[in-house]
Amino acid sequence: DARVTQTPRHKVTEMGQEVTMRCQPILGHNTVFWYRQTMMQGLELLAYFRNRAPLDDSGMPKDRFSAEMPDATLATLKIQPSEPRDSAVYFCASGSGRATYEQYFGPGTRLTVT
Amino acid sequence: DAKTTQPNSMESNEEEPVHLPCNHSTISGTDYIHWYRQLPSQGPEYVIHGLTSNVNNRMASLAIAEDRKSSTLILHRATLRDAAVYYCILRDSTGFQKLVFGTGTRLLVSP
Repeated sequence: DARVTQTPRHKVTEMGQEVTMRCQPILGHNTVFWYRQTMMQGLELLAYFRNRAPLDDSGMPKDRFSAEMPDATLATLKIQPSEPRDSAVYFCASGSGRATYEQYFGPGTRLTVT
Repeated sequence: DAKTTQPNSMESNEEEPVHLPCNHSTISGTDYIHWYRQLPSQGPEYVIHGLTSNVNNRMASLAIAEDRKSSTLILHRATLRDAAVYYCILRDSTGFQKLVFGTGTRLLVSP
């Protein structure tokens, strides 16, 4: 059963530290999405890639967040420096680009910045 | 992005059908209607989608109004595992698969 995997599942860090979250999309999927979920804002799209190229990162704070896909099996979301307001659950999703446009979500990384 | 309106919460009893409504009065001709759900402590999962005709799959049915300004997700027999937040989302088929999640409907299922 193919799944999106995310690491770490939980991360507690102090303000100012760098945080890197990793995502392994489903093999063969060519589209990767990063979402953030908080109680106040709900689910927000931060960035997405197609064929490893960034297509839209307008939802991402540019000064501290960066998203990359070093290769087809790895997507990373980095926060530097982290702030308490970044505390959230970060989800990665992948899609195959077929007509159904289903997105398959990972289990998320719960980030707490103190 | 066209907007959807859903009730904040709904309740159901186990093994009864559930009809989850969604209003999307500003839907355009190229918008697909997608439904996702999010179980507690999990990422969202795809449920079903449609354009104009009613759709059925192993999870649910999607009934789309003739004018497409509303739709209803139908769970034929609710189970405790169906307790989740259900999101109705419009996706422009000319876009890049972007999904804009609203606040959804929290479904409570009682034994």
